[in-house]
Amino acid sequence: KQEVTQIPAALSVPEGENLVLNCSFTDSAIYNLQWFRQDPGKGLTSLLLIQSSQREQTSGRLNASLDKSSGRSTLYIAASQPGDSATYLCAVGAGTALIFGKGTTLSVSS
Amino acid sequence: EAGVAQSPRYKIIEKRQSVAFWCNPISGHATLYWYQQILGQGPKLLIQFQNNGVVDDSQLPKDRFSAERLKGVDSTLKIQPAKLEDSAVYLCASSFLAGGRDTQYFGPGTRLTVL
Repeated sequence: KQEVTQIPAALSVPEGENLVLNCSFTDSAIYNLQWFRQDPGKGLTSLLLIQSSQREQTSGRLNASLDKSSGRSTLYIAASQPGDSATYLCAVGAGTALIFGKGTTLSVSS
Repeated sequence: EAGVAQSPRYKIIEKRQSVAFWCNPISGHATLYWYQQILGQGPKLLIQFQNNGVVDDSQLPKDRFSAERLKGVDSTLKIQPAKLEDSAVYLCASSFLAGGRDTQYFGPGTRLTVL
């Protein structure tokens, strides 16, 4: 059974700091990995999608990597801003659906 | 383009009552998903439709939950009767491809509180 784990559960950093969020999964038979952002009381917003054949994807200050063989992904956020404060969820595409981790709640202070 | 619409945004009911949620996906998206997100957890898939057919409902508690997608567009998720543990946010999502193989677009969710 596929399980997705995200570490840390919560993270607080000062504005301007670079940071890394971690995601691990137990079964490497995935076809993609996606990172989402969730703001309080709102739905999920897709940030990056990495196909299983890819190693990384970049969008603005965000960079996501995928190491399928070791079952790991990282989301790198450069020069963090208070507006980046949210919960970040990792999900792996396997079988017929996405399987989510519990998320990392990020707080960026000004 | 318009996003995924859901209503109501909030619902409070007592246990053993029934409740229904509505979702309108992005136009042209063949696949529609209903997720349950309990506080502090990631979303869990309840049911996936492709057009108006069910692709996966393996985690749907069928003794109390039901869902339909009429004419392959809008969808309704119903709970009858509700239990305390059904308190959660119910998220609807849609995508062009099936099975999570492309980007899923989520609605704002319906927060259900069962007293």
